[in-house]
Amino acid sequence: QSVLTQPPSVSAAPGQKVTISCSGTSSNIGNNYVSWYQQLPGTAPKLLIYDNNKRPSGTPDRFSGSKSGTSATLGITGLQTGDEADYYCGTWDSTLSVFGGGTRVTVL
Amino acid sequence: QLQLQESGPGLVKASESLSLTCAVSGGSMSSNNYFWGWIRQPPGKGLECIGYIYYSGSTYYNPSLKSRVNISVDTSKNQFSLKLSSVTTADTALYYCARGGGYYDSNGYSRYHFDYWGQGTLVPVSS
Repeated sequence: QSVLTQPPSVSAAPGQKVTISCSGTSSNIGNNYVSWYQQLPGTAPKLLIYDNNKRPSGTPDRFSGSKSGTSATLGITGLQTGDEADYYCGTWDSTLSVFGGGTRVTVL
Repeated sequence: QLQLQESGPGLVKASESLSLTCAVSGGSMSSNNYFWGWIRQPPGKGLECIGYIYYSGSTYYNPSLKSRVNISVDTSKNQFSLKLSSVTTADTALYYCARGGGYYDSNGYSRYHFDYWGQGTLVPVSS
């Protein structure tokens, strides 16, 4: 049972938009910043978004993040086949790093 | 470019200890601006932070694993290690090491995140 709640899967056709929600509580998302990680099949997670909405160099601007209250959202526009992956949200609860259970994005 | 590489035994027996090392290259660990963590992923499941360590040696462990975990750093070798004792089959997972960075803002909100990850090493625990 993960601390943060994400939908197990989302899907859309190429070129479309998907959003992934991440729900937490006041002790984690509500009082900390959120990061997002992309895990392509058979690879390690990679930092995609940090500080709720900042993109590291290398993250396309098709990826965006937002946070409101105790929830966060990752958006992917112009969906590509290469975006098929598992996506995890992460934040902190006191001194513990916590993650969501992951959302699989499927490009139809 | 910073790189992290996990190493350790391929298989561990239940009730024994699991030991892994993460070698850091392309940069020095000797800064308290960063911390060095272990994160695991059971097959087909999500991510779980085991704990992390600062260069100074300060450690923080997941309360659910705290009684069985020890993380240490070897600054002379630029590496850090994980020891998990009394393992069971539930500890079977992909184990990743990662670098953490960020800071607390003026409101005390954490802006920390993991920015570099190792490729991971699968550790099966046999019964």
